[in-house]
Amino acid sequence: EDQVTQSPEALRLQEGESSSLNCSYTVSGLRGLFWYRQDPGKGPEFLFTLYSAGEEKEKERLKATLTKKESFLHITAPKPEDSATYLCAVQPIYSGNTPLVFGKGTRLSVIA
Amino acid sequence: DGGITQSPKYLFRKEGQNVTLSCEQNLNHDAMYWYRQDPGQGLRLIYYSQIVNDFQKGDIAEGYSVSREKKESFPLTVTSAQKNPTAFYLCASSLLGGAASQDTQYFGPGTRLTVL
Repeated sequence: EDQVTQSPEALRLQEGESSSLNCSYTVSGLRGLFWYRQDPGKGPEFLFTLYSAGEEKEKERLKATLTKKESFLHITAPKPEDSATYLCAVQPIYSGNTPLVFGKGTRLSVIA
Repeated sequence: DGGITQSPKYLFRKEGQNVTLSCEQNLNHDAMYWYRQDPGQGLRLIYYSQIVNDFQKGDIAEGYSVSREKKESFPLTVTSAQKNPTAFYLCASSLLGGAASQDTQYFGPGTRLTVL
């Protein structure tokens, strides 16, 4: 069964304190791994897609990396506006546009 | 502006009533999806559709129904058979193509349904 586990469930950081969020996955074959940001009461906002081990993508203070079994979302010198829930999802390789399998998310709080 | 709209933002339902949540997209996406989100839980797939007049059940389809009469629209009906419908409902859409890069799902703003 395809599965996604995110850790930690919640993370509290001081402004400027860098850290990483983890997404471990189990799929028979990976078509893509997706990171989203979700603010309270809003729909998820797309951040990154990663397709193969060793791939990295960056956007402002965020950097996503991918290995064969997990992905990391590194947050460098976070600011309070980075506070949100970060969701990880995988798409199995069976065929195109199979639905995504989501983790439960990591709730990040950045304190000024 | 291209995007996905969901309405209403908040919806209240009495027990025993059916309610319909609207989802419209103007991104010319082929595939559309409905997810349910409960506090502390990940997104769970209710139904999805890859083409007009066709749709598939997701992991938690019981008590829900959908239609896809137009490419742009994918309404979700929460029926009285759904025993615990209070949740945040999210609609998403994506292209349907051979390249993995086209599979990114984009989400609407969500509808919060509360059963009174």
